[in-house]
Amino acid sequence: GQQVMQIPQYQHVQEGEDFTTYCNSSTTLSNIQWYKQRPGGHPVFLIQLVKSGEVKKQKRLTFQFGEAKKNSSLHITATQTTDVGTYFCAGTPGYSTLTFGKGTMLLVSP
Amino acid sequence: EPEVTQTPSHQVTQMGQEVILRCVPISNHLYFYWYRQILGQKVEFLVSFYNNEISEKSEIFDDQFSVERPDGSNFTLKIRSTKLEDSAMYFCASSPRGRPPMNTEAFFGQGTRLTVV
Repeated sequence: GQQVMQIPQYQHVQEGEDFTTYCNSSTTLSNIQWYKQRPGGHPVFLIQLVKSGEVKKQKRLTFQFGEAKKNSSLHITATQTTDVGTYFCAGTPGYSTLTFGKGTMLLVSP
Repeated sequence: EPEVTQTPSHQVTQMGQEVILRCVPISNHLYFYWYRQILGQKVEFLVSFYNNEISEKSEIFDDQFSVERPDGSNFTLKIRSTKLEDSAMYFCASSPRGRPPMNTEAFFGQGTRLTVV
């Protein structure tokens, strides 16, 4: 079936280091969304990308959507302990519903 | 700020019993969803609901599952005969629009942790 794959599954960084998570789809995505889930919490929407090659920034977070609309990345510059959580990408392959990747769990040590 | 509310927050049930998980989506939203998350795993789509009918469902959403919108506010997920492997966190979500290219963010509830013993 249609899948959205996300790597790495887990990353542990020191505070101040950068972090990147990657999302790939086997099919072209209509759009891609990114969510953050804090430990014990629920997914919270961060951003949506729609256009091929789109780049959006939210403070230290940079989101990219690939030219072919099959991949995306989230980059965090100078991580802080408040960035801890699991980051999910969620894509819409074709006209189907939102499909989540497995998520990347980020742990930040002070 | 409007939010999706889910009840109960935790439900423990015996294998084979029926459970109903309840959700109140955000009032002006049109699309409603159920997702589940087994501990430590990804968020899995179960079903989407629009205009009082199921618009899409996954392979997980078999005959033991059903959804209803019994009145103008509640959206329920019923599991007819629970199995041990149904133990998971169940998230309800709603969005103002749901179908590409117009779909927008999904607002998630806090979830119901279902434990089947």
